[in-house]
Amino acid sequence: LAKTTQPISMDSYEGQEVNITCSHNNIATNDYITWYQQFPSQGPRFIIQGYKTKVTNEVASLFIPADRKSSTLSLPRVSLSDTAVYYCLVGDSFSGSARQLTFGSGTQLTVLP
Amino acid sequence: EAGVTQFPSHSVIEKGQTVTLRCDPISGHDNLYWYRRVMGKEIKFLLHFVKESKQDESGMPNNRFLAERTGGTYSTLKVQPAELEDSGVYFCASSTPGTSGYNEQFFGPGTRLTVL
Repeated sequence: LAKTTQPISMDSYEGQEVNITCSHNNIATNDYITWYQQFPSQGPRFIIQGYKTKVTNEVASLFIPADRKSSTLSLPRVSLSDTAVYYCLVGDSFSGSARQLTFGSGTQLTVLP
Repeated sequence: EAGVTQFPSHSVIEKGQTVTLRCDPISGHDNLYWYRRVMGKEIKFLLHFVKESKQDESGMPNNRFLAERTGGTYSTLKVQPAELEDSGVYFCASSTPGTSGYNEQFFGPGTRLTVL
């Protein structure tokens, strides 16, 4: 499984755009990049997933360069309620095998007023 | 639709005692997973059920841990006897292949286990 590296923590202010970058130099051809969000006292929650280029949904955007050795989660106009831990995961989860998720340390995002 | 539920939310037991954690997955989800985070470390996979069968139990730390999923619905995770290092938060997740093929896992709120 590809190892991921992301910043331990980030601070931002309300209304700003936040970009969290994740490195995954050993990503395999079949691997997808997935981001989960976790609030205190809750389980992780899926945010977004992609394979290459750019993916956007109602919550976030995911930018993946051509070499796929890194990815950037972009949260537009954050609010206080976006304060959470964000996990970058890499693996072959886009399949019927339904395999385990491998979590790293995550990035603690703190949004300040 | 109800999400993944776990019971109890918090359990405090003494070393050597037995504790059983329960997980009710989202209805219709064949895949059920157990994870745990101990002492501020990373969330680690324990095992994976497909219906009532254990698909992958490579993450189970030792034979003091026993997971069951009779009938392919809810699952239990029993720790017997509990040790101090078992303290942590135990998460359950469930999934079913979506229309796009991505296996999104839905997590419960976790059970916080404290072994004294």
